[in-house]
Amino acid sequence: ETGVTQTPRHLVMGMTNKKSLKCEQHLGHNAMYWYKQSAKKPLELMFVYSLEERVENNSVPSRFSPECPNSSHLFLHLHTLQPEDSALYLCASSQEHGRTVDYNEQFFGPGTRLTVL
Amino acid sequence: AQSVAQPEDQVNVAEGNPLTVKCTYSVSGNPYLFWYVQYPNRGLQFLLKYITGDNLVKGSYGFEAEFNKSQTSFHLKKPSALVSDSALYFCAVSLYNQGGKLIFGQGTELSVKP
Repeated sequence: ETGVTQTPRHLVMGMTNKKSLKCEQHLGHNAMYWYKQSAKKPLELMFVYSLEERVENNSVPSRFSPECPNSSHLFLHLHTLQPEDSALYLCASSQEHGRTVDYNEQFFGPGTRLTVL
Repeated sequence: AQSVAQPEDQVNVAEGNPLTVKCTYSVSGNPYLFWYVQYPNRGLQFLLKYITGDNLVKGSYGFEAEFNKSQTSFHLKKPSALVSDSALYFCAVSLYNQGGKLIFGQGTELSVKP
């Protein structure tokens, strides 16, 4: 596997379910990100992990819970979601060298298409 | 507040013609500017970025973009469009010391017809 992979690619869940999205990067990067992409809206940054520490939590509801066990893996745990949470969830990674993370390009996975019924 | 605007939801171009996808930004401080492309059922792919120096930046697949500080713009261009360039294009900005936080525009759908 190369690049950034995400599983599952598609997920349908009820509002009372608990599920998890998985992201794995094979690029040796040390920063990882979760984004939400809804139709006709800009990508919304949800969480940023740098060196396995969460450095950004962009006012995301607590029904979304991230986990970064190591620099290669990132999870997004979902529980009691709402229909408006249906979207494409994208994972990305980049390499941080001090402040160069600000202008290092991010590499994106293919996304998980989430539908909440 | 920092923001990025892509004023056109859709751009239609005939194959072989030049294309331009527009982007303007509003930030406090010096921006780092990016273009990404998204093909159907795929994640975003990096095309090019402006950090500093020459205002004309060349990127992947023959794309280029020009940073214009006075007009706060970073338009994406290609001299001769291909049908395979049809995709969703996103402009994004990050700022110094913001931990890699990217602010995206809403995207522009590019359609290139034969």
